[in-house]
Amino acid sequence: QLQLQESGPGLVKPSETLSLTCNVSGDSISSSSHCWAWIRQPPGKGLEWIGSLCYRGNSYSNPSLKSRVTMFVDASKNLFSLRLTSGTAADTAVFYCARHQALSLTAPFDAWGQGTLVTVSS
Amino acid sequence: QSVLTQPPSVSGAPGQRVTISCTGSSSNIGAGYDVHWYQQLPGIAPKLLIYDNSHRPSGVPDRFSGSKSGTSASLAISGLQAEDDADYYCHSYDSSLSGSVFGGGTKLTVL
Repeated sequence: QLQLQESGPGLVKPSETLSLTCNVSGDSISSSSHCWAWIRQPPGKGLEWIGSLCYRGNSYSNPSLKSRVTMFVDASKNLFSLRLTSGTAADTAVFYCARHQALSLTAPFDAWGQGTLVTVSS
Repeated sequence: QSVLTQPPSVSGAPGQRVTISCTGSSSNIGAGYDVHWYQQLPGIAPKLLIYDNSHRPSGVPDRFSGSKSGTSASLAISGLQAEDDADYYCHSYDSSLSGSVFGGGTKLTVL
């Protein structure tokens, strides 16, 4: 049974880096069957795609966040991670990790983590 | 401002049918990219409801259906039930952004 679980600090100070990890069980991160993604949702607002990781660690990110986003895979631990630098209050959101249904950026997100709230505040 | 446009809210009485529209452009829906729909209950992660315009994942009731035409897509929910009270999001791929785009979400209220 596929499960995704986000983890990381719930509070980040302004200008600091937000770091999150998604632990995956029930599927292999390094398989060539799926891409993996980060999506966020500010309180009371809609969903925003942050970026996706595909086979061999190729990463693709939202142009509006690209200069601040780093994503990487740790195949040995079956997890993938997100780093978002220079945090501001506008980055306060529930962050979700998710799986693309196929090895394609056009594929839907067929599995989601429960989400973790990250607040950027001093 | 979301790349895909959805009405902020729709409502209907139990048993009725409602539709939610999702309007895009020539770089996403109009370019032929598939549209997917998600249901989000309060405080819970979104759940895939419709994929590839009109396909239902296993376990999704056939009261939910999707369609796509031109630069728009629609989600229809028939035989409304109280449990359908939720937020609904459309999702597609945008070639000029080279990534996923979402609609702003539609709040469905079952009266």
